[in-house]
Amino acid sequence: ELKVEQNPLFLSMQEGKNYTIYCNYSTTSDRLYWYRQDPGKSLESLFVLLSNGAVKQEGRLMASLDTKARLSTLHITAAVHDLSATYFCAKAVDSNYQLIWGAGTKLIIKP
Amino acid sequence: EPEVTQTPSHQVTQMGQEVILRCVPISNHLYFYWYRQILGQKVEFLVSFYNNEISEKSEIFDDQFSVERPDGSNFTLKIRSTKLEDSAMYFCASSEAGGVFYEQYFGPGTRLTVT
Repeated sequence: ELKVEQNPLFLSMQEGKNYTIYCNYSTTSDRLYWYRQDPGKSLESLFVLLSNGAVKQEGRLMASLDTKARLSTLHITAAVHDLSATYFCAKAVDSNYQLIWGAGTKLIIKP
Repeated sequence: EPEVTQTPSHQVTQMGQEVILRCVPISNHLYFYWYRQILGQKVEFLVSFYNNEISEKSEIFDDQFSVERPDGSNFTLKIRSTKLEDSAMYFCASSEAGGVFYEQYFGPGTRLTVT
């Protein structure tokens, strides 16, 4: 059974600081997704990481994938308040149809 | 920009009642999905649907759930006899093709409250 674990589950940080969210998973397959969710809102796709060594950056967020370590990271650089949200990683199962989700990391960035 | 839409945004129903949640996927997409998220918890896969058939379903998707594409645009999730534990946010998603090389786009969700 595929398991996806995120940590930390809760993160409170000051603006301007850097931090990393970790996503570990239990299979060796490729393809991992990062989503953002604002309170009461839907799931917004941030990054799709398709293969080992993939790195993608958008603004202050950078995601990477290490399939050998079964690890993806979401790095936040010089955080700003607008990045406050819950961030989920999601992993494909062998069937390729469904996504298995991490528990989410609730990120609060204080001005 | 094309988007997935869902109606209603909030549905309140009594335990034992039937509910139908509606979704309009992105028009050129062929694969459709339902997920749910119990308040404060992780997102859970329910079912995927392609070519008028269920492609895959999770253990959550038991006999009280069904999906249908009644016409060329709508995709529905029916819960026959709702239980308190069905209270959750239900998200519809669609993708251009199958397999997770293809990004799934999510609708805004329907909050289902069972009383």
